[in-house]
Amino acid sequence: RKEVEQDPGPFNVPEGATVAFNCTYSNSASQSFFWYRQDCRKEPKLLMSVYSSGNEDGRFTAQLNRASQYISLLIRDSKLSDSATYLCVVTSNSGGYQKVTFGIGTKLQVIP
Amino acid sequence: DVKVTQSSRYLVKRTGEKVFLECVQDMDHENMFWYRQDPGLGLRLIYFSYDVKMKEKGDIPEGYSVSREKKERFSLILESASTNQTSMYLCASSISKRGNTEAFFGQGTRLTVV
Repeated sequence: RKEVEQDPGPFNVPEGATVAFNCTYSNSASQSFFWYRQDCRKEPKLLMSVYSSGNEDGRFTAQLNRASQYISLLIRDSKLSDSATYLCVVTSNSGGYQKVTFGIGTKLQVIP
Repeated sequence: DVKVTQSSRYLVKRTGEKVFLECVQDMDHENMFWYRQDPGLGLRLIYFSYDVKMKEKGDIPEGYSVSREKKERFSLILESASTNQTSMYLCASSISKRGNTEAFFGQGTRLTVV
């Protein structure tokens, strides 16, 4: 089983729609969680951290469910500019140091 | 702003060549990482380093080595390039060992081995 699993998509949604991505992780001792965004032919950039209590940043909401070992990203009122690949990132302890593991990414295409 | 700079955007090398990919960060970060990114496989960790002269194997270290002689510089070495090492290589850095901080990426090096 992969350490971090995501549905690669693509998710094709109309402008204004709400879309949600899930990501599951296998290591129950994982400690930190993030969503990164990667535009075509660009490097990944941090979108938001994911906190246990859930957190929101404008149209974006991230949630963590430790019991079921998944994190989610909800995008409301999708914009064309939201089209990108969204990477789930999980960190865990590896021999005393943190190992950062990326999911395969979920591709989102927002269509007019 | 944090800046992570990779020495080349595009490289074409021949099979069997020794290839050096250089990465420099300007924010005194402790951690540095090398990933490769391939369609359908996502980002896979090759090696990481948490301090000068320290290195740890990632998930796919075979065929690669690394060097970290200075804190700001992390080099990835392909000892004898092969066609299956054709990929996008991404370098990243982050502040601390704790792993709960943002990772900053370089712009990537697209390597083609012919």
